[in-house]
Amino acid sequence: ETGVTQSPTHLIKTRGQQVTLRCSSQSGHNTVSWYQQALGQGPQFIFQYYREEENGRGNFPPRFSGLQFPNYSSELNVNALELDDSALYLCASGRQGGETQYFGPGTRLLVL
Amino acid sequence: AQSVTQPDIHITVSEGASLELRCNYSYGATPYLFWYVQSPGQGLQLLLKYFSGDTLVQGIKGFEAEFKRSQSSFNLRKPSVHWSDAAEYFCAGDDYNQGGKLIFGQGTELSVKP
Repeated sequence: ETGVTQSPTHLIKTRGQQVTLRCSSQSGHNTVSWYQQALGQGPQFIFQYYREEENGRGNFPPRFSGLQFPNYSSELNVNALELDDSALYLCASGRQGGETQYFGPGTRLLVL
Repeated sequence: AQSVTQPDIHITVSEGASLELRCNYSYGATPYLFWYVQSPGQGLQLLLKYFSGDTLVQGIKGFEAEFKRSQSSFNLRKPSVHWSDAAEYFCAGDDYNQGGKLIFGQGTELSVKP
């Protein structure tokens, strides 16, 4: 059973650019959630996807958007990057109705 | 509003000493509760979880946690700390009605002295 994988591991962008981060869910999981972890902070919930639709969203602006594909992989897109978007972005997968989220290693984004 | 609080930002213990990391939660009803560990530059690894039933739960790497409803706490413990336990520890809650939308505490950084 493969775990949750994310790509790329690191990324550097400039303010105003757009970025796409990718996540491959753990086998057998059908939900994917994205979290933002700023330096020295706990992760914050961005949104969750289930059946290719957004299934709950945290306190993040619309320039944060996502996709879930039929194979349960997922993308996080961030438009008009701001310096404060610099963070570790974590993807977590689970089963709808299940209780446990399993996390990937994260993508570290630096916005200059 | 729902919240999870970890009062201790940084804790240092000697190798072989016992450890307790504190976690308090504020939810309308008892949430699912989790402890995760994060090594530098890494993702989150699940240590243990509480859903219901026995209030003392066992996890991996010799960790355990005790749920106390009266104190709204879910403290993590280990009887004897190893140098490899040095990491960041996060407590998280999940309202079962929300399903998978975790609220994390700020984290406690554990340092281990030789």
